[in-house]
Amino acid sequence: TQLLEQSPQFLSIQEGENLTVYCNSSSVFSSLQWYRQEPGEGPVLLVTVVTGGEVKKLKRLTFQFGDARKDSSLHITAAQPGDTGLYLCAGETGANNLFFGTGTRLTVIP
Amino acid sequence: GAGVSQSPSNKVTEKGKDVELRCDPISGHTALYWYRQSLGQGLEFLIYFQGNSAPDKSGLPSDRFSAERTGGSVSTLTIQRTQQEDSAVYLCASSASGLGTYEQYFGPGTRLTVT
Repeated sequence: TQLLEQSPQFLSIQEGENLTVYCNSSSVFSSLQWYRQEPGEGPVLLVTVVTGGEVKKLKRLTFQFGDARKDSSLHITAAQPGDTGLYLCAGETGANNLFFGTGTRLTVIP
Repeated sequence: GAGVSQSPSNKVTEKGKDVELRCDPISGHTALYWYRQSLGQGLEFLIYFQGNSAPDKSGLPSDRFSAERTGGSVSTLTIQRTQQEDSAVYLCASSASGLGTYEQYFGPGTRLTVT
């Protein structure tokens, strides 16, 4: 069962542009994580958000957890080619495993 | 190395054959997870091991899939009588605890192709 929908599925932008990726669900999560995956590698954790309404910043990346803990967004400012990859959100329901989103494949063109 | 390792990195097999995929987690991590990722898609949870507890097998898609973890460390995922729809990247992850707020460290995956 797919609990987390990400949009857009694909995104191709020019270097220097801003973008937002969305992660939506009808389920409530106790925490939500964002990962980035590059070709031939496993996903790497970027951030974990726990509190509804929480905002975390990681350099040019801003993560927000929805007030109801059902959705999240990732905003990238002034995208760089190094930001290219598959972005995955993952929600934890308290059952000791993560449910991963459908993924957003980002390409930043130099 | 200190990270999660998986072997083989690539496996091509004929339909109907059995395959075994191996995962070496980070030393000391009590939790180990197997996921399946179809081309460019999100991850599908397969199975979860935590310490000496009975594994959570709720994600295994059929009884052709099984996994074991020996000595609380190395894990093997076995797929019997492989089918073409089993073709995917199989990812293993470990974490210091089974609680979701602990980071999962992923291996590079095994790309399985069933011909």
